[in-house]
Parts: sequence; structure tokens; C-alpha cells
Amino acid sequence: EVQLVESGGGLVKPGGSLTLSCAASGFSFSNVWMSWVRQAPGMGLEWVGRIKGISAVETTEYAAPVKGRFTISRDDSKNTLYLQINSLKVEDTAVYYCTTVSNSGEFFKYWGQGALVTVSS
Amino acid sequence: DIQMTQSPSSVSASVGDRVTIICRASQGISTWLGWYQQKPGKAPKLLIYGASSLQSGVPSRFSGSGSGTDFTLTISRLQPEDFATYYCQQTKSFPLTFGGGTKVEIK
Repeated sequence: EVQLVESGGGLVKPGGSLTLSCAASGFSFSNVWMSWVRQAPGMGLEWVGRIKGISAVETTEYAAPVKGRFTISRDDSKNTLYLQINSLKVEDTAVYYCTTVSNSGEFFKYWGQGALVTVSS
Repeated sequence: DIQMTQSPSSVSASVGDRVTIICRASQGISTWLGWYQQKPGKAPKLLIYGASSLQSGVPSRFSGSGSGTDFTLTISRLQPEDFATYYCQQTKSFPLTFGGGTKVEIK
């Protein structure tokens, strides 16, 4: 059974930093492309970024609002995906989901339960 | 960026009704479109990919159609567990973008 479990969310002050983790199990993690998607309270879904698997040349893509502040990385030896978030803004407040990327296109097949990040002074 | 526009934003329907949700892309995306279902407090679930391919395990009452800029998600006979919010998503180009969502409510 595929499982994605996010951790590391919490309350952070504007300008602060945070790293989210996503522990994956039930599939061959190193071969699977992964993405982060976020959802602000009461709002819709917003793609954050994507990282390719071990066999790919180019690795990451980011949405414009987070480029330069967010970094997606992975540790295939630990089956874990990371999202490092710097220079946090109030508008980054959201539930952050890690997802697997389908090999039929950039569709999000499996999702974690989400980690809430609240940015407030 | 490709803008995705869903309509209606909400729909009231009864169990057994046929429900159709429309998604329009600001430019042609071929069939690079997916549909997701999200229930309150839960992660979204992939229903349809490639505009019309049913994700494994998804009931056959869900169907998708369209190509280019206009797409539809149809629920043929609404069941109690189908009351949720539905999102379309384009995967033609970065940034990947979602529609604003359509909430299917109980009439």
C-alpha cells in the first residue's frame, strides 16, 4: 500500500524558515517523480513544485510565487521528500501535500494527509 | 500561464441526478487534463487523467471528455459519497494549474 506521511508543519513567524518532510512507503521511491501542492485555508489547490526521479537529468520545477524561496529535495536512501521553505510570508499559510507524479503525465496519483504551515506574527 | 476556469462554482443536486462540471483552459492543452475529488479535511483524489481515462478504482459513474480548451466531468448518477469539491488541473505546461473548484452540494 502506498503511504505518504508529511511532518514538520507548525506556526512560524514571517521571514522564518521551515522544512517539511514526506516519508514514502509502498513503492519504489527513487524512480518516482514527486510534487508538493498546497491549499490555503478555504481556498483551492496550488501546485508548488516538482522533483524528478533518479534517472532524470533535470530535477526541479517551481511555481513563480515560491521560486527562490522554496527548495524541493529528496533522499532516496531514506525514501523521503523534503520541502525547505525560507523567507516565509503570511500568504504561505496553507496545508502542504506531497504527491506522487503519474507516469501518464504530471497528474498527482497518491497524496499524503497534508501538513499545516501557519505563518503569523 | 494557462488559466483554468471551472463552472459552475457550486451545484445543488439530489442522489441519482446527473451532474456535469465544465472546465475551460485559456489555451489549448490537448488532453493534458485531470480531475480530482476532495472531501472536507481530506486530501484530493485523482479521478480522471488524460481528460477521459478513469483512474483505477474510481467508479464508472464518473467520466471525462473533451480536448483542446473545453472539458467536462460527468457524474452519471450521483451517490451520497460524491458530495465533494471537484478540481480540474492542466498538465500541458508549467506552472501546473488548477481550476477554482466546483462544490457539489446536496439539494
